[in-house]
Amino acid sequence: DGGITQSPKYLFRKEGQNVTLSCEQNLNHDAMYWYRQDPGQGLRLIYYSQIVNDFQKGDIAEGYSVSREKKESFPLTVTSAQKNPTAFYLCASSIFVASTEAFFGQGTRLTVV
Amino acid sequence: GIQVEQSPPDLILQEGANSTLRCNFSDSVNNLQWFHQNPWGQLINLFYIPSGTKQNGRLSATTVATERYSLLYISSSQTTDSGVYFCAVGAFSGGSNYKLTFGKGTLLTVNP
Repeated sequence: DGGITQSPKYLFRKEGQNVTLSCEQNLNHDAMYWYRQDPGQGLRLIYYSQIVNDFQKGDIAEGYSVSREKKESFPLTVTSAQKNPTAFYLCASSIFVASTEAFFGQGTRLTVV
Repeated sequence: GIQVEQSPPDLILQEGANSTLRCNFSDSVNNLQWFHQNPWGQLINLFYIPSGTKQNGRLSATTVATERYSLLYISSSQTTDSGVYFCAVGAFSGGSNYKLTFGKGTLLTVNP
């Protein structure tokens, strides 16, 4: 089946540790995105990538890093510099950046313990 | 950046009732989507509707791009319609920077 796969579904991290969230798509989409959702809130853009080996900061990039070495994959690293990392993280993709429909994965719920 | 406002923030209905959710946005957009977030957190695509009107079963949506708003209509609501409905708009800012910006959502509760 074509789609966007995020893993793991739930992730627990100790304070001070970096952690990487996986996002893979087999839709042959050029653009990929990472969003963060806090309880009762909308989604806020962390990073997006229009094409392989290119990515742009979103509204809340501080404390996060990404890479886009393959078209299918857009991993997000939550670093120890992120002050409040506990949140629900959603990955999305679209054919290209503008004027096309975006589709979302099932999300990863990160908890810092 | 572009501002997206959704109303109402909360809506409680009895099963069978109809409802209208509104999304206002502050600037021209390339893209507008409506999503339903299910209890497990997944965003389900409802409509991709930068302009015009679309219908899918009991749901329909209209976007009037020139007046910068979109409406989502839910008819004969069912308990399974409960959840958060998000509007998201896509636009370029600062040259080639593109963002899909979300509103804060409408929390819909349908009671049996």
